[in-house]
Amino acid sequence: GEDVEQSLFLSVREGDSSVINCTYTDSSSTYLYWYKQEPGAGLQLLTYIFSNMDMKQDQRLTVLLNKKDKHLSLRIADTQTGDSAIYFCAVASGGSYIPTFGRGTSLIVHP
Amino acid sequence: SQTIHQWPATLVQPVGSPLSLECTVEGTSNPNLYWYRQAAGRGLQLLFYSVGIGQISSEVPQNLSASRPQDRQFILSSKKLLLSDSGFYLCAWAGEPHGYTFGSGTRLTVV
Repeated sequence: GEDVEQSLFLSVREGDSSVINCTYTDSSSTYLYWYKQEPGAGLQLLTYIFSNMDMKQDQRLTVLLNKKDKHLSLRIADTQTGDSAIYFCAVASGGSYIPTFGRGTSLIVHP
Repeated sequence: SQTIHQWPATLVQPVGSPLSLECTVEGTSNPNLYWYRQAAGRGLQLLFYSVGIGQISSEVPQNLSASRPQDRQFILSSKKLLLSDSGFYLCAWAGEPHGYTFGSGTRLTVV
């Protein structure tokens, strides 16, 4: 089955850019998602990208997809303390929209 | 707009006691519904999903069961809780392949 890997922690300074990386194994993956989880809360869908896209930008968020390397990244520009949370990468293939989630990257933003 | 409600928010239950967690969705019909558990390691484990009333698919054999008595209601149950059932339980719905909408979660502590 699909395996989705993320680094567990990322620490950045307020105002810098954050880049959270994710790798997956199934080359037929069609839908790729980024979720944000704040402490004690459920997951919130931040953005998604289809496999026929290389990049998607939404305000401070930029998603890059490298299908050849099966690598997905989320860049947060001008990172703020309110961006501190756990960010989950999730990947699903066509036919079954049930995604496989990574273990999450804990983003810590310090002044 | 679609909303998802999950309760209770926190629960402390003794070992061997029963469990019932409820999830309801508003603003959509015939949603695909999911139960996930998030353990201390933060990864999300899919427990059950349902594509319609009375239809339940179990992903992981364990001490839990699920039921879908109504179109927009999804219930997670156990007859006798184990210590290992402790965790953060999340309900989610997916009406299309543009990601899940998650409930706010239930923190279950089995003592």
